[in-house]
Amino acid sequence: GEDVEQSLFLSVREGDSSVINCTYTDSSSTYLYWYKQEPGAGLQLLTYIFSNMDMKQDQRLTVLLNKKDKHLSLRIADTQTGDSAIYFCAAPTGGYGGSQGNLIFGKGTKLSVKP
Amino acid sequence: DAGVTQSPTHLIKTRGQQVTLRCSPKSGHDTVSWYQQALGQGPQFIFQYYEEEERQRGNFPDRFSGHQFPNYSSELNVNALLLGDSALYLCASSLAGGPGNEQFFGPGTRLTVL
Repeated sequence: GEDVEQSLFLSVREGDSSVINCTYTDSSSTYLYWYKQEPGAGLQLLTYIFSNMDMKQDQRLTVLLNKKDKHLSLRIADTQTGDSAIYFCAAPTGGYGGSQGNLIFGKGTKLSVKP
Repeated sequence: DAGVTQSPTHLIKTRGQQVTLRCSPKSGHDTVSWYQQALGQGPQFIFQYYEEEERQRGNFPDRFSGHQFPNYSSELNVNALLLGDSALYLCASSLAGGPGNEQFFGPGTRLTVL
């Protein structure tokens, strides 16, 4: 089955770029997702990329996908203190009829932004 | 447009009790998935409901059961609570066949079992 792995911590200075990395195992994943979780809150969908794309840009966010290496990254440009949160990479697995597969999440990368 | 809502926000129960958590999906969504997030971990898939039926199930015991109503809202029931059931329970809604198969999450219900 699918397995998703991420590094656990990342610390950057305000204004720098942040790069959060993720690896996954199931090459049949159609979409790959990035979620953000602030303390005590639910998950906010940040962006996703379709598996036939190499890159997707959305304002300060850039997602890079290397299908050969099963590697996904999220780059946050001009990182702000408000970006401090836990970031989860997620990949779908399975699927039945009209439903989508469930999501397999990594353990999350805690991003700390220092002023 | 209301997003995914969950109730209650917090809940405290004792071992052996039963609990029911509720979820209303985002307007226009027809699929509801439930996840358990233990402290310091990523969410783990419990089950998914579509057309009022359980379509997929993760590696959770039968003590975890659910239901989806005709208006697409859903309940998660946990019987015979254990200390290890303490977690944040997240509901996610999606539209079958929707663009990106995006799942949108609610704020969660924090369950504490004493």
